[in-house]
Formats: sequence, C-alpha cells, structure tokens
Amino acid sequence: AQTVTQSQPEMSVQEAETVTLSCTYDTSESDYYLFWYKQPPSRQMILVIRQEAYKQQNATENRFSVNFQKAAKSFSLKISDSQLGDAAMYFCAYTQGAQKLVFGQGTRLTINP
Amino acid sequence: SQTIHQWPATLVQPVGSPLSLECTVEGTSNPNLYWYRQAAGRGLQLLFYSIGIDQISSEVPQNLSASRPQDRQFILSSKKLLLSDSGFYLCAWVATTPNEQFFGPGTRLTVL
Repeated sequence: AQTVTQSQPEMSVQEAETVTLSCTYDTSESDYYLFWYKQPPSRQMILVIRQEAYKQQNATENRFSVNFQKAAKSFSLKISDSQLGDAAMYFCAYTQGAQKLVFGQGTRLTINP
Repeated sequence: SQTIHQWPATLVQPVGSPLSLECTVEGTSNPNLYWYRQAAGRGLQLLFYSIGIDQISSEVPQNLSASRPQDRQFILSSKKLLLSDSGFYLCAWVATTPNEQFFGPGTRLTVL
C-alpha cells in the first residue's frame, strides 16, 4: 500500500527567510501525482502545488517550489521569502489516477515576525 | 466554475444519536466524491469514496456509512454516534485532469 511520511511535525522560520518541508512516499507505481496542501486555521484545504511523476522538471508556483526526487521517492516543498500568511499545517499527498489521496501526517509551520 | 458545499458547518451531538452530513457539488457532472475525517492535530483519513450514483467504497470499517442518491450529492451518516466519531469531516471531489482534489469547507462534529 502507498504511504506518505512527513518527518517534521513542526517547523518554524523567520519572516522573509526560506524553509523546506520534507516528504517521502512509498509506491511501486511509476505514474502518479504528488501534492502539497495548506490548511490554515480556517481548516480549509488549499492546494499549493502539484507534481506529475512523469515530469522531470520540478513544479514552481510563485514563492513555492518542490524538489522531486523520483528515485529517492522524495518530494520536499520550499517556501521562499516566507510571509506571515504562510503559517499553516502543510500536508503532502499522493494519488494514482483519479483515485483516493493518501496524506502524510502534516507539518505545522510557524512564521516568526 | 465548480463549487462544493458542506452542511452543517458545526454540529454538537450526544453519544448514541444519529448523524447526517451532506455534501453537494456544483458545476461538474459525474465527479468522484470523497469523505475524509481529520482528528485534532492529525492528518486526513479517507472514509468513503464514490465513483458514481449508489457506488460507494468504504476504506475503514466503522459505524459510519455513506450514500450517493444523486450525481452531485454525497451523504455521510451514522445510526448511533460514538465519542470517537468527533472530528473535522471534509468532502472532496476530484477533477480527472489534472487529478487534484478540491475540498469543501468542512463540518466540525463534536460528540458529547
């Protein structure tokens, strides 16, 4: 069965600095999708960034980028120029096709002003 | 554009009482629909998913059930709530391309 592991329950960073959140996963499939979701205090799940496994190029969305290492089954999220509004729980997730998402346990990110 | 609704937003129920949470999706047809539960400070656990009307798959055996009476309506139910059913319940639908799930605003359930 597919599993997703986030080894950092909590992280903190100074405002305007860069932080990297780690995620590893386990799968025997070659074609799949990986996501990072943000959950602010409102608890609304918000998609941050998406990576297709067949693409070698790392996905980027403004200040958010990923380091996708397929062979190592690693999918880390880098947040540049951290802002106070980035404070939230961040979840890494895996899916294969239009099927269920498998989530990691989450990393709570705190931004220090 | 597609939107997803959940109600109620907040619910407090006594142990042993029934439950009905509703999720509806607008702006799409024949979506895959999902129910997740999130315990406090934890990740999301998939409870049920549905690929069509009356087609429900259960991921975790428990006292909850799900139904899909209409294409864009997904209902989570229980005949008798347990204390352990407390949590935050999220409904989601998936776009086949690009395979990302969109979540509703959630229902916070407290069982006393």
